[in-house]
Amino acid sequence: SQKIEQNSEALNIQEGKTATLTCNYTNYSPAYLQWYRQDPGRGPVFLLLIRENEKEKRKERLKVTFDTTLKQSLFHITASQPADSATYLCALDMDSSYKLIFGSGTRLLVRP
Amino acid sequence: DTAVSQTPKYLVTQMGNDKSIKCEQNLGHDTMYWYKQDSKKFLKIMFSYNNKELIINETVPNRFSPKSPDKAHLNLHINSLELGDSAVYFCASSQDRTSGGTDTQYFGPGTRLTVL
Repeated sequence: SQKIEQNSEALNIQEGKTATLTCNYTNYSPAYLQWYRQDPGRGPVFLLLIRENEKEKRKERLKVTFDTTLKQSLFHITASQPADSATYLCALDMDSSYKLIFGSGTRLLVRP
Repeated sequence: DTAVSQTPKYLVTQMGNDKSIKCEQNLGHDTMYWYKQDSKKFLKIMFSYNNKELIINETVPNRFSPKSPDKAHLNLHINSLELGDSAVYFCASSQDRTSGGTDTQYFGPGTRLTVL
């Protein structure tokens, strides 16, 4: 079955630096991969989606890459701010089903 | 306007009781879900309904019974609550890919269930 691993339980960086979060999967390549942000006490919020035929996607300070050879997606936040502190989850589809599989998340802390 | 709403936000109850959580979405989506997020923050799907039809039923005790009266509502009823049921339960909705969507999930605020 498909497994997802997100690197490090927590990532601690200085404000202004680029945060890079990793999402690795084990089996077949999904049609697309999604990234979500979750703040304490709230539901996850969708950030970005990247399709299997796309190498890179950007949205403001966010950038996602998708390498189907390495079975990996990288999520970058440039010029990070304390307000970016949250847990970031990657999720990928299960073939043609309606189901997304979520990683366990990486908690990001941006220090002022 | 709230896109996906859940009630109640907090639920504290005794073991053995029966409780329900309600969910409503006003996004016009076809598919709704229930997820359980445990203390380690792992988000796991429990059920999914597409146009009122159950399409995903993960390995969940049959004490959990979802009900979808229409495609905008998905409720979760839990019988004989156990300590291990304590978690945050999230409702979500999406427009599935068969109707042009991408299964992007829109989550509710969550219901924190504590079983004593």
